[in-house]
Amino acid sequence: AQSVTQLDSHVSVSEGTPVLLRCNYSSSYSPSLFWYVQHPNKGLQLLLKYTSAATLVKGINGFEAEFKKSETSFHLTKPSAHMSDAAEYFCVVSRKDTGFQKLVFGTGTRLLVSP
Amino acid sequence: EPEVTQTPSHQVTQMGQEVILRCVPISNHLYFYWYRQILGQKVEFLVSFYNNEISEKSEIFDDQFSVERPDGSNFTLKIRSTKLEDSAMYFCASSDRENQPQHFGDGTRLSIL
Repeated sequence: AQSVTQLDSHVSVSEGTPVLLRCNYSSSYSPSLFWYVQHPNKGLQLLLKYTSAATLVKGINGFEAEFKKSETSFHLTKPSAHMSDAAEYFCVVSRKDTGFQKLVFGTGTRLLVSP
Repeated sequence: EPEVTQTPSHQVTQMGQEVILRCVPISNHLYFYWYRQILGQKVEFLVSFYNNEISEKSEIFDDQFSVERPDGSNFTLKIRSTKLEDSAMYFCASSDRENQPQHFGDGTRLSIL
């Protein structure tokens, strides 16, 4: 079975400070890992993906994530938060053996950004 | 940038009624998916569809659910006899290949009364 654990349900930062959203995964097979963001009343937008190439993955809006197999982690970071980053963030895993079709979502982390 | 379109944005239906949720995937995509998110819970996979047939489905996707690609552009999810617990946000997604990221629509909020 595969799963993801997002360690924080809420993260609060001040504008201009670094962001760290934590994710640990469990997968018996070669995983693909993603971060999606959901703004209020909007769909899920892909931030970045890891598919067994470079372990440091750069995404949109200045976000990046590092795949660490030894720690089974895929934490999302951003050097400097912006007010527009306030949203719900989901860590997601899929498996090569199922053709990567079934995405398994974490419970989400709500990022709050204060002025 | 091309996007996945879902209609309606909000659907209110009486319990026991049939409901059809509609999606227009990105035009050159071949893989289609439905997910749902019950309020306060995780986003859950329902079904994947490729080459006019279901390729994978979850245990949630029972006989009350069906999917169809009635023409070259639409992808629908039908719930035959809705229950209160079907109330959720339903997301459609598509991808151009099986190992490529899925692109999501804005969702349909289904409210069962």
